[in-house]
Amino acid sequence: AQSVAQPEDQVNVAEGNPLTVKCTYSVSGNPYLFWYVQYPNRGLQFLLKYITGDNLVKGSYGFEAEFNKSQTSFHLKKPSALVSDSALYFCAVRDILNSGNTPLVFGKGTRLSVIA
Amino acid sequence: GAGVSQSPRYKVTKRGQDVALRCDPISGHVSLYWYRQALGQGPEFLTYFNYEAQQDKSGLPNDRFSAERPEGSISTLTIQRTEQRDSAMYRCASSFSGMRSNEQFFGPGTRLTVL
Repeated sequence: AQSVAQPEDQVNVAEGNPLTVKCTYSVSGNPYLFWYVQYPNRGLQFLLKYITGDNLVKGSYGFEAEFNKSQTSFHLKKPSALVSDSALYFCAVRDILNSGNTPLVFGKGTRLSVIA
Repeated sequence: GAGVSQSPRYKVTKRGQDVALRCDPISGHVSLYWYRQALGQGPEFLTYFNYEAQQDKSGLPNDRFSAERPEGSISTLTIQRTEQRDSAMYRCASSFSGMRSNEQFFGPGTRLTVL
């Protein structure tokens, strides 16, 4: 079975500092990994994904994520946080190899608060 | 361009009533997904369609829940005889195809409250 863990409910960071939102996953095969962001009263917005290739993936709004197979992690990072980055962030995984449909499985989310 | 739209945005109903939630995906998107999101949790898969065919309904919690997409575009999620435990945010998403590598684009959701 697939699962995603986001160990931190809340992350606080000062504006201009680097930020990291953690995500670890479990799949039986190899993963497709995704990050989404949710702003208040809006739907989830796609940020970036890892499919194959370079372990460092760059996405929207200056975000990036690093796939680490040995640690089964896909942490979201940004070199310099903005107040406007404050939102709810979800990590999600799909198993590549299982036959049939494997739904996108989400973590419970991490609330990022960037303080001016 | 237009994104995924859902209606109504908010629905308050009394226990025992039926509700129908609508999703209008991005034009040309083959795959359509329904999720339910409880407060403080991530979205949980309910069901999905490729074109008009329902490919997987393993996430539907019981037989009071059903979904259709008769013409391969707009989809309706129906909950019969609603119960208070059905209260949640219901989210719809679409993707260009059913490939697992495709990202899904989400609508704003329908907040369902069952009194």
